Amino acid sequence: NAGVTQTPKFQVLKTGQSMTLQCAQDMNHEYMSWYRQDPGMGLRLIHYSVGAGITDQGEVPNGYNVSRSTTEDFPLRLLSAAPSQTSVYFCASSTPTQGSGLNTEAFFGQGTRLTVV
Amino acid sequence: AQRVTQPEKLLSVFKGAPVELKCNYSYSGSPELFWYVQYSRQRLQLLLRHISRESIKGFTADLNKGETSFHLKKPFAQEEDSAMYYCALSGVSTDKLIFGTGTRLQVFP
Repeated sequence: NAGVTQTPKFQVLKTGQSMTLQCAQDMNHEYMSWYRQDPGMGLRLIHYSVGAGITDQGEVPNGYNVSRSTTEDFPLRLLSAAPSQTSVYFCASSTPTQGSGLNTEAFFGQGTRLTVV
Repeated sequence: AQRVTQPEKLLSVFKGAPVELKCNYSYSGSPELFWYVQYSRQRLQLLLRHISRESIKGFTADLNKGETSFHLKKPFAQEEDSAMYYCALSGVSTDKLIFGTGTRLQVFP
């Protein structure tokens, strides 16, 4: 059971380059999200999706695009990388408890450490 | 506005000492509160949630709606408790998790 898988684990980009961070989950979770983790700022929500075909912005969406064509995959795209996007990126997935509406555990990927020079 | 505040960036204690990691929140409605932990070189994982009212690895957390707090406590810290701890909240009708800035716990031998 792989859970949430992120690729790559490490990446160095030059300013202005574009790239896609991949996230895949095999738990059939409806909800997926992307966070960035920066020292002293905790985890901040970039974008999230409540199901295939539905995405929405989080707290810090600028400079990032997402799409959700399947339940399993939720890629994060950097269109033109900037040094301010140097961070560790985490993907997470979860599904609400059936019937109760109570939120269940979020499962996280191992992270992608991105450096923009 | 939804917000989670963890006032301590770093908490250092000796093995066997009590630990309390503070978490305060602001939320209009009834939130669900969580503690997530990230051990060195491991992915972020759920430690406990208030709705379960359980003790995990000796840790407990009580939701105090009057003080809007959800402090994490352990009576006797162990070296393996050293990690980054994040308090988080979500609304009943949403899966969006809002995280605090995290507290690094260091337990010395």
